[in-house]
Amino acid sequence: NAGVTQTPKFRILKIGQSMTLQCAQDMNHNYMYWYRQDPGMGLKLIYYSVGAGITDKGEVPNGYNVSRSTTEDFPLRLELAAPSQTSVYFCASSWGEGGGETQYFGPGTRLLVL
Amino acid sequence: GENVEQHPSTLSVQEGDSAVIKCTYSDSASNYFPWYKQELGKGPQLIIDIRSNVGEKKDQRIAVTLNKTAKHFSLHITETQPEDSAVYFCAAELSGGSYIPTFGRGTSLIVHP
Repeated sequence: NAGVTQTPKFRILKIGQSMTLQCAQDMNHNYMYWYRQDPGMGLKLIYYSVGAGITDKGEVPNGYNVSRSTTEDFPLRLELAAPSQTSVYFCASSWGEGGGETQYFGPGTRLLVL
Repeated sequence: GENVEQHPSTLSVQEGDSAVIKCTYSDSASNYFPWYKQELGKGPQLIIDIRSNVGEKKDQRIAVTLNKTAKHFSLHITETQPEDSAVYFCAAELSGGSYIPTFGRGTSLIVHP
């Protein structure tokens, strides 16, 4: 199993540009998550999904959108990039009836908005 | 909602020493407490976890203790090695609901050879 994969690894965006961060998992996990990690601030939840067709906002959803059309994929969309979105983004997945299970993280996408 | 405090933010030890990282949580309903290790340039990876029906759990040089009354849990690493150098995150979560884990801010552990 590849686990959780993310693309791209690194990207530079200009202010106002849009992009999609890709995330895929091959473990048949029902839960998927998007986090951003800023230096010294830990992991902040952006959006999560409890299954295909179901998504919900996390702690910091503004400026982002997600979709979950399949169990495997959970892309994160930035519509109008802003310098405040410079961060490292991690996708994660887990299996459970409602949390309380190990989260498996991808390798991350480093995003720089200039 | 849940709030998780993690201390210290940075911990520097000599190889062979022990390291202890502490976390407190606010929601007494939380019942699942994982610890993740994040090496430089990688995503976090689970190293050990504990559920609220257990007070302590060990895995070789790593142990976690949980005090439900005081609402705190700790990660203990004995005989530290340079490869233990990483950022460690604690989290608290309510198992069995649609609850989402709340992470601490992380501890940067540096093990000097």
